[in-house]
Amino acid sequence: AQSVTQLDSQVPVFEEAPVELRCNYSSSVSVYLFWYVQYPNQGLQLLLKYLSGSTLVKGINGFEAEFNKSQTSFHLRKPSVHISDTAEYFCAVSDRSGANNLFFGTGTRLTVIP
Amino acid sequence: NAGVTQTPKFQVLKTGQSMTLQCAQDMNHNSMYWYRQDPGMGLRLIYYSASEGTTDKGEVPNGYNVSRLNKREFSLRLESAAPSQTSVYFCASSVSRVADYEQYFGPGTRLTVT
Repeated sequence: AQSVTQLDSQVPVFEEAPVELRCNYSSSVSVYLFWYVQYPNQGLQLLLKYLSGSTLVKGINGFEAEFNKSQTSFHLRKPSVHISDTAEYFCAVSDRSGANNLFFGTGTRLTVIP
Repeated sequence: NAGVTQTPKFQVLKTGQSMTLQCAQDMNHNSMYWYRQDPGMGLRLIYYSASEGTTDKGEVPNGYNVSRLNKREFSLRLESAAPSQTSVYFCASSVSRVADYEQYFGPGTRLTVT
């Protein structure tokens, strides 16, 4: 089985500052990794995903994440945040073997302060 | 395209009442999913349907039933609601169960059981 740990439940950051949201996973098999964003009162939207290839993955809205197999991490970064980035961010993992069951972390609430 | 739609948006039930949450997608996706989202717990998979005519249990199926009515529609039924089922419910769909296909989420149904 897979599990995901998001170490920070809340991250406040000033506008135009950089941010890193941390995600670690545990799995006995190879996995795919995802970051989803949830804006207030909305469903989840895919930010980016790592399937294979380059360990640095670029997503929408200027976000990127780096897969580190040795540290079993998939941290999300943005060099300069905007007010509109205020949202909840979820890291998720699925089993590469075929079953598209997503296991989610508990989420990190990013608050951008003007 | 509307994507994934869910009805109702909000619902309040008394303990022991029953109800059905409706979900429809217009993306011609084969696979559909029901998740619940609880504070501090992220999203957890209740049931999924790999293709029309099939359904399987996810991580937290107890107290729920599902029906894949046709390719477009996947409903979630609570036969006898309990306060522990107070949650936000999300429906999602994907092209297939292959793990690298993105899941698309609906806006959610906020259910309160008193």
